[in-house]
Amino acid sequence: EAGVAQSPRYKIIEKRQSVAFWCNPISGHATLYWYQQILGQGPKLLIQFQNNGVVDDSQLPKDRFSAERLKGVDSTLKIQPAKLEDSAVYLCASSLAGQVYNEQFFGPGTRLTVL
Amino acid sequence: QKEVEQNSGPLSVPEGAIASLNCTYSDRVSQSFFWYRQYSGKSPELIMSIYSNGDKEDGRFTAQLNKASQYVSLLIRDSQPSDSATYLCAVKAAGNKLTFGGGTRVLVKP
Repeated sequence: EAGVAQSPRYKIIEKRQSVAFWCNPISGHATLYWYQQILGQGPKLLIQFQNNGVVDDSQLPKDRFSAERLKGVDSTLKIQPAKLEDSAVYLCASSLAGQVYNEQFFGPGTRLTVL
Repeated sequence: QKEVEQNSGPLSVPEGAIASLNCTYSDRVSQSFFWYRQYSGKSPELIMSIYSNGDKEDGRFTAQLNKASQYVSLLIRDSQPSDSATYLCAVKAAGNKLTFGGGTRVLVKP
């Protein structure tokens, strides 16, 4: 079974530029998550989708971050404009559904460096 | 107070010994608990999940949960150098949001 796919794996941009990340979840997984992991910290949830609806985006900095999940499968996370503090690894994860006991599986992540 | 707390380490363990990792959480209604292993430069990998009080064993790993004390632990028996990694504790409460601790770095020395 194929895992969660993400691209690109690495991205270097200048501050104030924009960037987009793509995620394809495990086949059949209805719930998709985007996390931000800053070096030395645990992942922090940015947004959770159930199919193509947003369940939780309380920690998403909505003035610069946006995300969408068209057709309930692939998802895109965008940052515009980027700041130095956005340098982090952006992880996508998926689970069968957003129920309490469902396990989340992570993709390889996108390492973003903002100069 | 952080929602999920772990000692950042490093926890240095001789090869073949038992590594004991601890995690405390603040939300009493938390219902499910997970341990992830993360190698340097890689993404988190799920190694254990536990939902009810007591012990759960899977190979060399044992997870222990005590909801009354709001405490979950991970034991790694017969530690190997390949177990050297950061171990993340994650807790899911009502609403299904998964909250991670900062991770404990484990070093297994040959």
